[in-house]
Amino acid sequence: DVKVTQSSRYLVKRTGEKVFLECVQDMDHENMFWYRQDPGLGLRLIYFSYDVKMKEKGDIPEGYSVSREKKERFSLILESASTNQTSMYLCASSPRLAKNIQYFGAGTRLSVL
Amino acid sequence: AQSVTQPDIHITVSEGASLELRCNYSYGATPYLFWYVQSPGQGLQLLLKYFSGDTLVQGIKGFEAEFKRSQSSFNLRKPSVHWSDAAEYFCAVVGVGGDYKLSFGAGTTVTVRA
Repeated sequence: DVKVTQSSRYLVKRTGEKVFLECVQDMDHENMFWYRQDPGLGLRLIYFSYDVKMKEKGDIPEGYSVSREKKERFSLILESASTNQTSMYLCASSPRLAKNIQYFGAGTRLSVL
Repeated sequence: AQSVTQPDIHITVSEGASLELRCNYSYGATPYLFWYVQSPGQGLQLLLKYFSGDTLVQGIKGFEAEFKRSQSSFNLRKPSVHWSDAAEYFCAVVGVGGDYKLSFGAGTTVTVRA
């Protein structure tokens, strides 16, 4: 089974802090994604990566950056956390030949106070 | 750009009753369509997908979905609901071709009463 692991289930941070959300997948997938999930809005794509050191902006990249130094790991960075970034963050991965079949992690619920 | 509408925010159904969740999409051609389920505290799990071919698609956990091009719909059904089906369900669409981006609906929360 594909396993996508997000390092934290819950995080509480203060406004202005730099926050790192980590995601690791164990299936050698080329593609990795970060989504934000908010009630009534579904999932919105923040960034995705189709290869090591490659990244593309999604629908809502403002206030976020990403890093992909190794194939299995995709990090989401909040440079200066704000209260409006309080949300559930979901990581996903997919293989190159089936890029639309995405496998999700359990999510990180981030609260910014 | 493609978009997805799930008209029902919340549905309550009795255990053993049938369930139908609605999904309408907007896209210029036939897209790829997906249904995901999210149980409380969990990530999203793929229930089923439609790429082409037979318009009635079977998925896991006894779910099926029917693609209707004329109605731009991809409704999810289950004949007999179990208490463990209580969850949030998301419909998603992506354009055929090189697009990576899944567009998700807002989700439908299903409550199962005994």
